[in-house]
Parts: sequence; C-alpha cells; structure tokens
Amino acid sequence: EVVLTQSPATLSLSPGDRATLSCRASQSVRTYLAWYQQKPGQAPRLLIYDASNREPGIPARFSGSGSGTDFTLTISSLEPEDFAVYFCHQRYIWPRNFGQGTKLEIK
Amino acid sequence: QVQLQESGPRLVRPSETLSLTCTVSGGSMSGFYWSWIRQSAAKGLEWIGRIHLIEGTVYSASLESRVTISADTSKNQFSLRLTSVTAADTAVYYCARDRGSKGPEDYWGQGILVTVSS
Repeated sequence: EVVLTQSPATLSLSPGDRATLSCRASQSVRTYLAWYQQKPGQAPRLLIYDASNREPGIPARFSGSGSGTDFTLTISSLEPEDFAVYFCHQRYIWPRNFGQGTKLEIK
Repeated sequence: QVQLQESGPRLVRPSETLSLTCTVSGGSMSGFYWSWIRQSAAKGLEWIGRIHLIEGTVYSASLESRVTISADTSKNQFSLRLTSVTAADTAVYYCARDRGSKGPEDYWGQGILVTVSS
C-alpha cells in the first residue's frame, strides 16, 4: 500500500499570503495524484487532478505540480474562504488512498 | 449537475450489518465508477470500494471480507453493506462518482454519520 505523507500538518497564514502544501508518496504514483479541499461538515471538493489539472470552476490561484513521489499544492494568494483542510489522494496503486491532511488556518 | 445523496440507518448495533444507499440524480450511472469512502478521526479518509455496471466491483483488501457494493440502475442507486460491524466502523460514509481512467472521485454526497453502538 502506498503511504501519502502530507506536510505540514498545520499551516498558519494570513489572507493574501502564498500557501505551499506538500504530499510525498512512499512509492511512485506517476502523476495520478489529486488534491481536495474540505470544510467542516462538508464533503471533500476536488481541486486538482492528475497532479496539475485544475478541475472546472476552481479558481486559478490554485495550482498543482509534481510527479513520481513529490507533489505540491500552491495557493498563490489566500482568500478567506481558502482556510480549510486539504487532502492529497492517489489513484495509481490499489487500494486508492488519501493523505492525512494539512489544516490551513488563519494566523 | 450530478448529485449524490446517502441514506440509511444512522445507528447500528455491534456485530450487525451496516446498509447504506446512494441515490444518483442529474446523470446516468453508465460509464462511471461509483465509490464508497468513509472518514473517521482515527483513520482519516478511507476508500472502501467501487462498482462499475459492466466491470463489477473492487474492494479495499482490509474490508473485502465484510463489504458488498451493489447497484440498482432502475432506481439510479448503489448500495453498501458492511457486515459484523464494530465501534471502529463508526464514521461519516460518503458515496462518490469516480471517473476511472479519466480522473479521481469528483462528485460526492454530503455524507452520513453512522455510529456503531449498543
């Protein structure tokens, strides 16, 4: 089973800041890596799929990069609604699984 | 716009069977995979399994002995059965649409909290 390790566990930033979230896989998942945003009481929302493809309707301030084992989600300038928990998710190796999440909180 | 909605009992006794249904609206079930995923504080997001109307089912190895996913296309629904539940199965259960080779789970239900307790 692939282990997805996200860092940091918590990231404290201010609106307008740039956020950089990391996801590291224990073995290569090629580019089959997605990012989700989850707010309290809501289901995860797909932001990025296949490492760098933005889902329709997702603002351009969200971008993804990486391949193999190291991936990054970047939010270029934080808006108040961006403070949430972010998960990475791989679909290359069975079983599909998720990282433990990074909580992005207001500083 | 595709929408998914989970339904079923929110309280299940230990050793009994958890049964949930996901109703799909706004689109056909054909051509996609349909997944169940759960989330708990202890295990985070955990992929349970998925069904494709032609290809069949795939389950997580850790749950395979207790899980059954089925579909009823006449009702545009798919279902989850999890047998012999324990407190460790307490979680928010989500159903989701899976794009298969074209991408990950994109549309999700709102989730349903199922508690295992006597």
